[in-house]
Amino acid sequence: QQPVQSPQAVILREGEDAVINCSSSKALYSVHWYRQKHGEAPVFLMILLKGGEQKGHDKISASFNEKKQQSSLYLTASQLSCSGTYFCGTEMDSSYKLIFGSGTRLLVRP
Amino acid sequence: GAGVSQSPRYKVAKRGQDVALRCDPISGHVSLFWYQQALGQGPEFLTYFQNEAQLDKSGLPSDRFFAERPEGSVSTLKIQRTQQEDSAVYLCASSLSFTGGPLEQYFGPGTRLTVT
Repeated sequence: QQPVQSPQAVILREGEDAVINCSSSKALYSVHWYRQKHGEAPVFLMILLKGGEQKGHDKISASFNEKKQQSSLYLTASQLSCSGTYFCGTEMDSSYKLIFGSGTRLLVRP
Repeated sequence: GAGVSQSPRYKVAKRGQDVALRCDPISGHVSLFWYQQALGQGPEFLTYFQNEAQLDKSGLPSDRFFAERPEGSVSTLKIQRTQQEDSAVYLCASSLSFTGGPLEQYFGPGTRLTVT
């Protein structure tokens, strides 16, 4: 079951914050976040395990609400380099098979 | 060290032709994944290898798709009798190990296949 990402697209001014959500109708084992720039490989951002943990590095952080089967990615003080498409990949069990959402297109303008 | 590499980067095939896409994973990575990414969509799982063993091929769209990793390193995705609906970016990813919990997958740049 493909996770649902929202919003589908967002435009920010440099320095603004953004939240991207990823929801699943099924119980999740983990959520993976990736960023992909046009024509490039998806780049790993972070993994969150069930248990409601929160993670962060630099200006990107994420949380996983096991009750709601929802993960949120937070970008603070966005920079031009944050532009790209953000994908969440969900894992139902420890099979390593990821099911990706359709992405959130983020554009940061000067 | 070197990341995941894929070749060719671009491939144009006439409908009905066979194609072979190559993936060189990061050295020492046990797990290897193939994904298909349609324009404007997220990657869609095709198949998974653990060393040379193909443990999951549930995502392969039809029996025209075949993947192998004979020596547990380089992998080839072959598509026979290509159709227009096969046009997509084919991504390969590798991961360090299959034990100890979920691990990040490192993606290659992909092969953009266009079937005319």
